[in-house]
Amino acid sequence: DAKTTQPNSMESNEEEPVHLPCNHSTISGTDYIHWYRQLPSQGPEYVIHGLTSNVNNRMASLAIAEDRKSSTLILHRATLRDAAVYYCILRDLWGNQGGKLIFGQGTELSVKP
Amino acid sequence: AAGVIQSPRHLIKEKRETATLKCYPIPRHDTVYWYQQGPGQDPQFLISFYEKMQSDKGSIPDRFSAQQFSDYHSELNMSSLELGDSALYFCASSPNEPLVGLAESTDTQYFGPGTRLTVL
Repeated sequence: DAKTTQPNSMESNEEEPVHLPCNHSTISGTDYIHWYRQLPSQGPEYVIHGLTSNVNNRMASLAIAEDRKSSTLILHRATLRDAAVYYCILRDLWGNQGGKLIFGQGTELSVKP
Repeated sequence: AAGVIQSPRHLIKEKRETATLKCYPIPRHDTVYWYQQGPGQDPQFLISFYEKMQSDKGSIPDRFSAQQFSDYHSELNMSSLELGDSALYFCASSPNEPLVGLAESTDTQYFGPGTRLTVL
């Protein structure tokens, strides 16, 4: 399975933008890039996903490098509620990994008031 | 909106006892995944079901078994419990067929609140 690398932890100030990086240098052409986050004492929740183009939704933006070997999750205005562990996960387009999510070490984001 | 329901939310068992965890997916979701998250660890995939059939299997001990019923709810049965089984167990559901064959799918998984199992 393709691997992802994320910083262990990051800090942000409330109401400032946050850029969470993810390296996936061995990504294959059929891998989607998914982001999930896990708030304290809760189950993981979906944030965003993309394949090649940058993506925006109500929660965040996903910027994907042209060579697809890295991506960045962007929270435009961090709130205290955004403090969580953020996971960058590769998922095969054609389902060769069976649909399961393979969680690696994510980034623990702390937000200061 | 309806979410994934897991019961019980907390469970305390003794070593060598058995436990049954239940998961009720979001209505009209036909795929269920089970994950285990040990203390300070990341979630690890255990097993999944699509349309009542096992669709994938991860690092699930032989002491554990699971099934999906006709109403799509799923149960994870754990026997001969060990101290190391103490963990959070999450169930997730998704509305699509698991990614198999040539069907492109980007199915989102919706997680329940988890069951915290403590084995004493």
